[in-house]
Amino acid sequence: SAVISQKPSRDICQRGTSLTIQCQVDSQVTMMFWYRQQPGQSLTLIATANQGSEATYESGFVIDKFPISRPNLTFSTLTVSNMSPEDSSIYLCSVLWRDSRSYEQYFGPGTRLTVT
Amino acid sequence: SQKIEQNSEALNIQEGKTATLTCNYTNYSPAYLQWYRQDPGRGPVFLLLIRENEKEKRKERLKVTFDTTLKQSLFHITASQPADSATYLCAPLDTGRRALTFGSGTRLQVQP
Repeated sequence: SAVISQKPSRDICQRGTSLTIQCQVDSQVTMMFWYRQQPGQSLTLIATANQGSEATYESGFVIDKFPISRPNLTFSTLTVSNMSPEDSSIYLCSVLWRDSRSYEQYFGPGTRLTVT
Repeated sequence: SQKIEQNSEALNIQEGKTATLTCNYTNYSPAYLQWYRQDPGRGPVFLLLIRENEKEKRKERLKVTFDTTLKQSLFHITASQPADSATYLCAPLDTGRRALTFGSGTRLQVQP
């Protein structure tokens, strides 16, 4: 299994500013993902963070708004740029844990972002 | 378009009864289907995975069925307890994909 930590756990930001969220995993993993969970909604995949190359974004999400870094196999950052109140959400880092018997995704505790 | 449907209404049951949650999907060809539990303010926690060639999977008080013809999975919690109260998310993994997509979840409330 994998243990994931995120920083910050929560933040209140002003519109127009940017926030960078960090995700640290206690072991090396190949696949890391970023999700968003808006109030009362389920999780929406933002992008796959690729180590050594540009992230792969899902439809509706763009690199200029959500730049992602993945410098190594245990760490990734997601930046929410030029924030607006619509970006208020919980942002979750997730990793894929795969072996011969299992295919599981583990999630970090999330970062609760409020944009005023 | 792809869709995952879970009952959006909360399921209220009495302690000791069996809870059954439904997940229907369209336009997916899942190699796996997974169930997660999410408590308020926390990230989802993995519960069970079932493969496309498996009909049923059990883990302690949990049972999952997977019918690829009906495009449906059922999630059962037997001898339910108030501690089982949470939102349960269904997540099929589409063939060729790496990341899960999630249903909207069903909130289960077990009354003592």
